Amino acid sequence: TQLLEQSPQFLSIQEGENLTVYCNSSSVFSSLQWYRQEPGEGPVLLVTVVTGGEVKKLKRLTFQFGDARKDSSLHITAAQPGDTGLYLCRGRGSTLGRLYFGRGTQLTVWP
Amino acid sequence: DAGVTQSPTHLIKTRGQQVTLRCSPKSGHDTVSWYQQALGQGPQFIFQYYEEEERQRGNFPDRFSGHQFPNYSSELNVNALLLGDSALYLCASSSGGRNEQFFGPGTRLTVL
Repeated sequence: TQLLEQSPQFLSIQEGENLTVYCNSSSVFSSLQWYRQEPGEGPVLLVTVVTGGEVKKLKRLTFQFGDARKDSSLHITAAQPGDTGLYLCRGRGSTLGRLYFGRGTQLTVWP
Repeated sequence: DAGVTQSPTHLIKTRGQQVTLRCSPKSGHDTVSWYQQALGQGPQFIFQYYEEEERQRGNFPDRFSGHQFPNYSSELNVNALLLGDSALYLCASSSGGRNEQFFGPGTRLTVL
């Protein structure tokens, strides 16, 4: 079983559309990170959230950490083909501090 | 400033063979972590090295071993390869206990 569940697994949209991807767990995390991974590359860190209810914005990307620190969402406004990639969330467990990745959401944005 | 580098980029082995993968951390980083990413999956933590010692280990068998050198570079060794070991192996470096890791491009291992 996966500690962090990401949904949807695949998302294919047209340029200009908005989208939201989710990262959910029944466990509490002391912090959560979002990464984007492109083919042939390693994951690249987008953001770290640490406070329940925290919202961070990175240009057209908005990240939210749930109040209970068990879930997170990533919203992209006016998606562009350059946003295409695998979006991964990773949480640090609050008990032992171990890091866990979700399986990722594969986003494809068509021109 | 070079980021994290890994070699080789691709590797093909047969079942039962042994493989060594290499990683050079980002300049100024002293901690190296290794991950296995199977197709369609997120990266799974293998182990982390700091000060030439294994500091943390994920749920991987003893066939997976590693080493860190005085210059902070690291090797991942896998013995008695299985078909299921086919994956992208990622190396990530960080400074001390900081949360931010920088990933290399990975080594794609195919076991036939």
